[in-house]
Amino acid sequence: DAKTTQPNSMESNEEEPVHLPCNHSTISGTDYIHWYRQLPSQGPEYVIHGLTSNVNNRMASLAIAEDRKSSTLILHRATLRDAAVYYCILPLAGGTSYGKLTFGQGTILTVHP
Amino acid sequence: GAGVSQSPRYKVAKRGQDVALRCDPISGHVSLFWYQQALGQGPEFLTYFQNEAQLDKSGLPSDRFFAERPEGSVSTLKIQRTQQEDSAVYLCASSPQRGSYEQYFGPGTRLTVT
Repeated sequence: DAKTTQPNSMESNEEEPVHLPCNHSTISGTDYIHWYRQLPSQGPEYVIHGLTSNVNNRMASLAIAEDRKSSTLILHRATLRDAAVYYCILPLAGGTSYGKLTFGQGTILTVHP
Repeated sequence: GAGVSQSPRYKVAKRGQDVALRCDPISGHVSLFWYQQALGQGPEFLTYFQNEAQLDKSGLPSDRFFAERPEGSVSTLKIQRTQQEDSAVYLCASSPQRGSYEQYFGPGTRLTVT
């Protein structure tokens, strides 16, 4: 399986940018990188995904290294509502074609007012 | 619009009881997933439905766990003879097409077995 490694926790101040790293050195050429987040007492929420190019949406940006062995989720201005567990997810190697998600431990993001 | 809903939100069961957890996916979504999330851990896959067909049940921890989606919409996860280790949050997710990693999750059902 393509394994991901994320820091256990990170802290940020409100209205500052946050860069959440993810290492995935065994990624294959066709694996998309997905990010989800889980707010307290809620189900996970899709954030963003990408393959090679950097991606932007209304929630965040995803910066993917040129060798694709790492990526960074960027929250441009953190708010208290962004405090959550952030998961970097890759498909299972040789796995299914139907989108089974394999969550790791994720990064707990704390945002200080 | 309406998202994925789950009921009940909280369930307390005595060890040995049977429980049934319901998931109402977003209307028209083909794919439906169940995940189990133990305290402090990330969600873990249990089973997958494409319409009414259960295509993968490899994550179900034992034969006490059973899931169905008879008409390709609402799904029920049943746990027979509950044990303390079954205590967890059970999450349901749906997506509009097969193969999509963009899934919409419900709020989960927190099951506590005493």
